Amino acid sequence: EAQVTQNPRYLITVTGKKLTVTCSQNMNHEYMSWYRQDPGLGLRQIYYSMNVEVTDKGDVPEGYKVSRKEKRNFPLILESPSPNQTSLYFCASSLFYMPGQGRPNYGYTFGSGTRLTVV
Amino acid sequence: KQEVTQIPAALSVPEGENLVLNCSFTDSAIYNLQWFRQDPGKGLTSLLLIQSSQREQTSGRLNASLDKSSGRSTLYIAASQPGDSATYLCAASNTGNQFYFGTGTSLTVIP
Repeated sequence: EAQVTQNPRYLITVTGKKLTVTCSQNMNHEYMSWYRQDPGLGLRQIYYSMNVEVTDKGDVPEGYKVSRKEKRNFPLILESPSPNQTSLYFCASSLFYMPGQGRPNYGYTFGSGTRLTVV
Repeated sequence: KQEVTQIPAALSVPEGENLVLNCSFTDSAIYNLQWFRQDPGKGLTSLLLIQSSQREQTSGRLNASLDKSSGRSTLYIAASQPGDSATYLCAASNTGNQFYFGTGTSLTVIP
């Protein structure tokens, strides 16, 4: 089954304790992205990656790191979590589209989410 | 960068009604627009994707339209059912890769 898998689904941690949220997709997608979702603010992009070893900041990158060593995996790293990073996190992936390339664009596939609480 | 707005934030309708959800975006140079459904505490499920060259897309009881010149998209749900209760999100992209999301419309269908 084509899917984006995030782990863990729920995580409670303490301020300052490094953590990693994993994301893996089995669709051979080039483009992967992390979002956080907060009430009243919608989904905001944290980081994205257009292919292996190519990553860039989204709209709210502060306090986060990512890596893309393999095409299928895109982990989100919080080196020193703080309570304002308590949120619902989503990983998403898609084929990388370029105009004129002739590839179809099917939009995003999302993971099931990780609810993170930092106390 | 697209600014995406969804109004109203919440909507309640009796079962069986047809309804329209609205999505506005600021940049008419849109490449595509995607509608999602999100159940409480769950992930996003893609409903429909409209390319900029298309005016509408249909899937079952759902029909999404796109009007680039006015910066609007609508999601039409026919014969609503209690199982349609969820939050509906639209997301717009100028490149086909990076999407910008609205804050969603929370729909409740009352039996």
